[in-house]
Formats: sequence, C-alpha cells, structure tokens
Amino acid sequence: EVQLLESGGALVQPGGSLRLSCAASGFTFNNYAMSWVRQAPGKGLEWVSTISGSGGSTYYADSVKGRFTISRDNSRNTLYLQMNSLRAEDTAIYYCAKSIAATGVFDYWGQGTLVSVSS
Amino acid sequence: EILLTQSPATLSLSPGERATLSCRASQSVSSYLAWYQQKPGQAPRLLIYDASNRATGIPARFSGSGSGTDFTLTISSLEPEDFAVYYCQQRSDWPPLTFGGGTKVEIK
Repeated sequence: EVQLLESGGALVQPGGSLRLSCAASGFTFNNYAMSWVRQAPGKGLEWVSTISGSGGSTYYADSVKGRFTISRDNSRNTLYLQMNSLRAEDTAIYYCAKSIAATGVFDYWGQGTLVSVSS
Repeated sequence: EILLTQSPATLSLSPGERATLSCRASQSVSSYLAWYQQKPGQAPRLLIYDASNRATGIPARFSGSGSGTDFTLTISSLEPEDFAVYYCQQRSDWPPLTFGGGTKVEIK
C-alpha cells in the first residue's frame, strides 16, 4: 500500500525558513517523480515543485523559484522541501504527491502538513 | 502558462441526479487533463487522467471526456459520498502544472 507521510509544518515568522519532509513507502521510490502541491486556506490547489526519480531534474512554480528547494534521498525514501524567505502568502497545507511514472499526474497524495507564516 | 477555467463554481444537485462539470483550457492541452476529487479535510484523490482514463478503484459512474480545450467530468448518478470539490489539472505544457479553480458539488 502506497503511503506518503508529510511532516515539518509549523508556524514561522515572515522571512523565516522551514524544511518539510515526506516519508514514502509501498512503492519503489526512485522510480517515480515526486511533487509538492499546496492549498491556501479555503482556496484551490497550486503546484509548487516537482523532482524526477533520480533527483537530477527539478521544476518550480514562479511563485517559489529562488526561495524553495526540492530534493530527495532515495536511500531513505524521503522527499524534502526547503523553504526560505517565507512570506504570508506561503501559508497553506503542503501536500506531497507521487506521480504516475514521470508524468505530471498525481496518483497518490499525503495527508498534508500546515505551514503558517505570520508574525 | 495554461489557464484552466472550471464551471459552474457550484452545482446543487440531489442524490441520484447526473452531474456534468466543465473544464476549459486557455490553449490546447491535447488529452493531458486529469480530474481530482477533494472532500473537506482530506487530500485530493485522482479520479480521471488523460481525459478519459479512470484511476485505480474509481467507480464506473465517473467518466471523463474531451480533448483540446474543452473537457467534461460526468457523474452518472450521484451517491452521497460524491458531494465534494472537483479540480481539473493539465500536464500538457509544464512547468507550470496548473489546476482549475474547482467546482463544488453540493446537496440540493
């Protein structure tokens, strides 16, 4: 059974940093691209970032480019999102999502972790 | 960036009725469109990918159609558990991957 378990969400001040983690199990982790998708309170879904199975390719939304870094440790079956220079508009539930192969279709999602950026 | 517009924003229907949800893209996405269902307090769930392919475990009452810029998600007969928010998403031209704004299917 595929499981994705996010952690690391917290209340942080504007300008602060946070690292999210997503522990994966139930599938061959390094065979699949992984992504972060966020959802601001009461709003829709916004794609944040994607990393290839090998970790060699990364992609970012313009809204986070230069501030967020996606990475993965295939030996630990874990996905990360390093978030720097956080802004109030980054407040959201952050979901980790597995892609079908290398496509941009998300077939499994974690339960999400809440990031709140406020002073 | 490809923009996806979903309509209507809210659909008020009764159990047993047919639901028809629309997603229109700002440019052709071929058949690279997916649909997700999200219930309150839960993560999204993949329903349909590549316009018309049901994901694993998705009931046959859910069907998707369309290509190019116009897509439809149809729920043939609404069950109580189908009242939720539905999002479309394109993967034709990315980054960025983009989602529509959502359609809420509520109980009438």
